[in-house]
This record gives sequence, structure tokens and C-alpha cells, in this order.
Amino acid sequence: AQTVTQSQPEMSVQEAETVTLSCTYDTSESDYYLFWYKQPPSRQMILVIRQEAYKQQNATENRFSVNFQKAAKSFSLKISDSQLGDAAMYFCAYRSAGGGADGLTFGKGTHLIIQP
Amino acid sequence: DAGITQSPRHKVTETGTPVTLRCHQTENHRYMYWYRQDPGHGLRLIHYSYGVKDTDKGEVSDGYSVSRSKTEDFLLTLESATSSQTSVYFCASASHPNQPQHFGDGTRLSIL
Repeated sequence: AQTVTQSQPEMSVQEAETVTLSCTYDTSESDYYLFWYKQPPSRQMILVIRQEAYKQQNATENRFSVNFQKAAKSFSLKISDSQLGDAAMYFCAYRSAGGGADGLTFGKGTHLIIQP
Repeated sequence: DAGITQSPRHKVTETGTPVTLRCHQTENHRYMYWYRQDPGHGLRLIHYSYGVKDTDKGEVSDGYSVSRSKTEDFLLTLESATSSQTSVYFCASASHPNQPQHFGDGTRLSIL
């Protein structure tokens, strides 16, 4: 079974600074998808970014970008110019691209604190 | 975003009672999912559905059943609730398993 590990239970960053959240995963598959979801105190789960493993280029979405290292099975999220609204739990998630309809495998999350 | 709603938003009940949580989506998504979120565990998959009347078990399915009689509705039932099932439950839907899942706002369930 695949596992997703987020080794930082909590991170803190000054407003306007850059922060990187770590995620590693374990899989024997070669084709898969990786996601970062944000969960603010409102409890909503909001998609931040999606990466397809067969694509070499790192995904970017405005101030959010990933560093995808397939050989190292690493998928970190970089948040540039941190804003107070970025404060949330961040979850890394994995899904095999193989056949089947099962869901995502999530990490345990990183709590991001933004210091004003 | 997908229109996906969960009901109720909060529920308190007693051990041994049956509980049904409802998920309703208006995006005509074929795939739907139920997860539970507990401190220190992230989200874990309970059951999923790949079409009307087509469901399968996830990682933590013991004590739960599901039904999908219409594309838009996916029900999660706890036949006899236990305190270990106190959790926040999330429903999600997707147009394809490899596409991002869109989540409901969650149901906080407390079993006393």
C-alpha cells in the first residue's frame, strides 16, 4: 500500500516570506498523481495544486509551486510571499493512475502558522 | 467548484444508535467518496462509489455501509454507532478518479 509522509507537524513563517512544506511518498508505481490540499479553520478542503508524475515540469499556481523529485519520491510545496490567509492545515495526497476508482491517500498534514 | 453538500453539519448521538450521513452533488460526477478525519491521521478513505449501485470498501470500512441509488446522492450509514466513530466525515466527488476531488464542508459526528 502507498504511504504519504509529512514530516513537519507544524511550520511557522513571517508574513511575506517563503516557506516550503515537505512531503514524501512510497510507491512502486511509475504513473500517479500528487496533490496538495489546504484546510483553513473553516474546515473546507481546497485544492492547491496537482502534479502528474509523468510530467517533468513542476506545477505552479500563482504563489504556490511544487518541487517534484520523482526518483527521491519527494513532493514539496513552496509558498511565496506568505499571506495571513495562507494559515491552514496542508495535506499532501497521492493517487495511483492505474485502473480502479479508489480514493486518495493522504499524509497527516502540516499546520502552517503565518506570523504578522 | 463542484456543488457538493453534506447533511447534517453536526450531529450528536448515543452509542448503539444508527446514523446516516448524506452527501449530495449537483455536478453529475460519477465518482464519490467518503473519508473520515481524525487528529494525527489526516483523511482516510471509508468507502467509494464508481457509479449508481457500484460501491467498494476503502481503508477503514469496518462498521460502515454505503448506498448510491442516484448519481447525485451517496449515503454513509453507521448501523450501530460506537465512540470510536466520533470523527469529522467528508464527502468528495470527481468526474474521473485521476481528476481532483471536490469536497463537501464535512460533518462533525460525536458519539457519546
